[in-house]
Amino acid sequence: SSELTQDPAVSVALGQTVRITCQGDSLRSYYASWYQQKPGQAPVLVIYGKNNRPSGIPDRFSGSSSGNTASLTITGAQAEDEADYYCNSRDSSGNQLVFGGGTKLTVL
Amino acid sequence: EVQLVESGGGLVQPGGSLRLSCAASGFTVSSNYMSWVRQAPGKGLEWVSVIYSGGSTYYADSVKGRFTISRDNSKNTLYLQMNSLRAEDTAVYYCARGFPGDDAFDIWGQGTMVTVSS
Repeated sequence: SSELTQDPAVSVALGQTVRITCQGDSLRSYYASWYQQKPGQAPVLVIYGKNNRPSGIPDRFSGSSSGNTASLTITGAQAEDEADYYCNSRDSSGNQLVFGGGTKLTVL
Repeated sequence: EVQLVESGGGLVQPGGSLRLSCAASGFTVSSNYMSWVRQAPGKGLEWVSVIYSGGSTYYADSVKGRFTISRDNSKNTLYLQMNSLRAEDTAVYYCARGFPGDDAFDIWGQGTMVTVSS
């Protein structure tokens, strides 16, 4: 079982704001990174560290963290943002890495 | 261009072995931490193993004792030796580069499919 917990599915109206969360005890000590994965494609890093975006990722993607919860926020969701989103961090030991179970985002 | 290309996947019987390769270009494998991540059909991502630049290795509990991660610096290639394979190891296996200074994977390969079945 995953040490990082995500809601299985979330929906958002086109142009609205959506927050995807990731919960886990290790998030009190480590930042989460976030990945977008579309069907048949490899994951793509969208947020890492405190709130950093790799080159080429739109600024509508942002990250935050509080206590044991990390969040990915999409401000003004677009149709192309419909995808699976995964959080990733270290486990409580700090030696192993772990992914959340993933959240399927539907843009209505 | 920074790129990772996996190979070596295929169909193998339960109890069999397979070695996956991940050829890197545009950067040096030994200067970064590198991981294998897998995804069973219709399921989420599962971290499998990591090798750090200093050579330390760690494994998910589900593969510990059966899988071995390694690298060949002269070939700039990452490997995953998989022994005692089980049906539940069936998945697409991705290699990924650790983002320097952060716990994140910034470069991913396209994945290679491993099917364990009789």
